[in-house]
Amino acid sequence: DTAVSQTPKYLVTQMGNDKSIKCEQNLGHDTMYWYKQDSKKFLKIMFSYNNKELIINETVPNRFSPKSPDKAHLNLHINSLELGDSAVYFCASRIEGGPTGELFFGEGSRLTVL
Amino acid sequence: AQTVTQSQPEMSVQEAETVTLSCTYDTSESDYYLFWYKQPPSRQMILVIRQEAYKQQNATENRFSVNFQKAAKSFSLKISDSQLGDAAMYFCAYRSARAGGTSYGKLTFGQGTILTVHP
Repeated sequence: DTAVSQTPKYLVTQMGNDKSIKCEQNLGHDTMYWYKQDSKKFLKIMFSYNNKELIINETVPNRFSPKSPDKAHLNLHINSLELGDSAVYFCASRIEGGPTGELFFGEGSRLTVL
Repeated sequence: AQTVTQSQPEMSVQEAETVTLSCTYDTSESDYYLFWYKQPPSRQMILVIRQEAYKQQNATENRFSVNFQKAAKSFSLKISDSQLGDAAMYFCAYRSARAGGTSYGKLTFGQGTILTVHP
């Protein structure tokens, strides 16, 4: 039973298209994140939501729009895709006030823009 | 802003031997968490070990242990009795324990170290 699940796992699309990646966590966590892992494997935070409220918005182009319909879901919509958007996108979650502080990650969604 | 540095892009070890991966970080805070995550070719991010900064005792998880030097801002990972399944990219990560603020809950990663295990 997957704790943090992302769909789709792989996505190949053309420049200029709009696409979405969905994320769901069944851990009862309060906070969810989107991270981007580039071709050099560097992981950088994009967004963080706590109970559907945007907490962190790093310097991300406004073509990227996260949406959190409820605290178990955090979706990522990308408009007008560019070649540089090709990456692996990870969703993660964390419980507030928990003793351990770690993030639980999904399996990642590999986006390829042609 | 906090930064995490892994100075070893690649490391290799013989099966059953011990290897140490280095990590240093920069912060002005006194309360924080440090983590090592493993990313095998499957790309799943797997937590290996965590350390709370207020704890002086080094964390251990089976064959994995850390050497946490708070004053030196160093957090190395030691893998004992290395196994073929340990081959992966390893990431060191930092998270502030401070509540609130625009960086609240943010996990900052190092550049990663690719570990190869030779049979």
